Amino acid sequence: GQNIDQPTEMTATEGAIVQINCTYQTSGFNGLFWYQQHAGEAPTFLSYNVLDGLEEKGRFSSFLSRSKGYSYLLLKELQMKDSASYLCAVMDSNYQLIWGAGTKLIIKP
Amino acid sequence: IAGITQAPTSQILAAGRRMTLRCTQDMRHNAMYWYRQDLGLGLRLIHYSNTAGTTGKGEVPDGYSVSRANTDDFPLTLASAVPSQTSVYFCASSGRESNEQFFGPGTRLTVL
Repeated sequence: GQNIDQPTEMTATEGAIVQINCTYQTSGFNGLFWYQQHAGEAPTFLSYNVLDGLEEKGRFSSFLSRSKGYSYLLLKELQMKDSASYLCAVMDSNYQLIWGAGTKLIIKP
Repeated sequence: IAGITQAPTSQILAAGRRMTLRCTQDMRHNAMYWYRQDLGLGLRLIHYSNTAGTTGKGEVPDGYSVSRANTDDFPLTLASAVPSQTSVYFCASSGRESNEQFFGPGTRLTVL
């Protein structure tokens, strides 16, 4: 079957760095996405990786290793507004997104 | 309108009633999707449409139907609602230029 695993909840301090991991087993691979979802709101796109390596976008970076079925989202200089759920999703061989349950990130002052 | 809209924002429905959730996008995206999001679970695909006139079943299609008469609209119908269909429903769309999916604001549905 297809499976996306990510931690249920993480806590970090304002100004610090946090890494959210995602491991996956899917039928085929056409890219991995990270989305941010604030409570009561819709998911919004953060990043897309299809090749191995690190993609940097401001305070957020995303890493992919296809051979290990592994990705992480790195958030630097954490701000209170970064408190949200972070969703990992993999596009499978049918170009459908398979979603993880999300990681709720709590930022403390 | 700009982007993707959904209606209603929320709804309380008696079991056995019929309900249609509306979704409209103005980005001329070819593909549209319906997901449900339940606590502790990832987004689950109900139905999708790769282009106007075509639809497909996702992971959890039972009890739901969709139509895609034109590019902009993708309504989701619950023919006879049951309490297990209580959820938050998100509509999304994507264009040919990228695989990124854009989400509507969601509909919170409660079936009693």
